[in-house]
Amino acid sequence: DQQVKQNSPSLSVQEGRISILNCDYTNSMFDYFLWYKKYPAEGPTFLISISSIKDKNEDGRFTVFLNKSAKHLSLHIVPSQPGDSAVYFCAASAPSKTSYDKVIFGPGTSLSVIP
Amino acid sequence: EPEVTQTPSHQVTQMGQEVILRCVPISNHLYFYWYRQILGQKVEFLVSFYNNEISEKSEIFDDQFSVERPDGSNFTLKIRSTKLEDSAMYFCASALWRSTDTQYFGPGTRLTVL
Repeated sequence: DQQVKQNSPSLSVQEGRISILNCDYTNSMFDYFLWYKKYPAEGPTFLISISSIKDKNEDGRFTVFLNKSAKHLSLHIVPSQPGDSAVYFCAASAPSKTSYDKVIFGPGTSLSVIP
Repeated sequence: EPEVTQTPSHQVTQMGQEVILRCVPISNHLYFYWYRQILGQKVEFLVSFYNNEISEKSEIFDDQFSVERPDGSNFTLKIRSTKLEDSAMYFCASALWRSTDTQYFGPGTRLTVL
């Protein structure tokens, strides 16, 4: 049951260039989307999020774009730095009877930024 | 900077044995979570816990699993009778507020069931 898909398992980008990580989802009830970054031997770290009422959210070098009609979001990193090399997880949540407790993760994309 | 810690970092157990994975959340946090990641697969939500009770759980979190906050600092996940398919990385997370972007994750415990 792949409600959140990241079809590129890996991506290599030159330092200074733009990294674009893509994510698709199937559940139309999702209304909150997040990107997490994960280094080896560490837990996921929250990076940036976007609510479904927006189509863009920017935080420094990171921008997330949401296309609700296409059920697609993307994370742009500009400029890419070697320290950005990590696995990036797209995640989504839907309102439940309690709150947004349950987060559904995608399988992740491993980003390598080449110096 | 405060962080979530987990022990042990790696646990090896025999099938059918009970295991307890331990987590120390950030001290003033009120919401606690367990996730797992089977090797090569995605991170999966297991359970959330607030005010000494489960607030939400996934289909994975069956009767073999239980969570507890035995004292003011620890948050534990118990698997009563481990199966081979329980082998995974288990991540604990905690949050001050009940919103997903404030969940801070621990480094994980790698559970290997033989």
